[in-house]
Amino acid sequence: EVQLVQSGAEVKLPGTTVKISCEVSGNTFRDSYIHWVKQAPGKGLEWMALIDPGDGERIFAERFQGRVTLTAVTSTGTAYMQLSGLTSDDTAVYYCATPIVDGQSSLPAHWGQGTLVTVSS
Amino acid sequence: QSALTQPASVSGSPGQSITISCTGPSSDFSEYSYVSWYQHHPGKAPKLLIYEVSNRPSGVSNRFSGSISGNTASLTISGLQADDEADYYCSSYTSRGTCVFGTGTQVTVV
Repeated sequence: EVQLVQSGAEVKLPGTTVKISCEVSGNTFRDSYIHWVKQAPGKGLEWMALIDPGDGERIFAERFQGRVTLTAVTSTGTAYMQLSGLTSDDTAVYYCATPIVDGQSSLPAHWGQGTLVTVSS
Repeated sequence: QSALTQPASVSGSPGQSITISCTGPSSDFSEYSYVSWYQHHPGKAPKLLIYEVSNRPSGVSNRFSGSISGNTASLTISGLQADDEADYYCSSYTSRGTCVFGTGTQVTVV
């Protein structure tokens, strides 16, 4: 069974940086993309970016390009998403997700429990 | 990239069937075989219901089914139950190879 466990809630000051972790088990970490998805309060799901742990390829949604840093440590099966220059608009729940194991699609399938990031002065 | 368009809300009575649509520009459905659907209860992680347009993951009820026609994908929930009350999202690829979600549909069981 694929499981994704994310780090705990964070409270951050405006202008600072947050780093969220996502530990993946139950699949071949190197062979599976890691997606990052944002859900702001009262809003829908918004895709942010993905990383391929196998070759380090990263793809970003345009509006997050330049503020999001993605890393993946294959030895521990853990991915990280760092978001810089935080504003109140970044207050949201952030999810990591991986594709389905027994399919061709690379879209999100298995999800972490979400990490609440609150940006407040 | 623009989100895929879904109706804001759909409602139905217990036992009925409802259908949620997901429409995007042709370029957003450039890979027509890759549409997924998710159920999202507030405070929980989204749950995959359908992948590759019409495939159900193991453990997902056969009351959920997916289809596609042109640039509109659809999720049908049959035998509506109280626990089906949630937000539902579609997702697909864009022509850039990025992922895009639908605007989301709130399902109410009345």
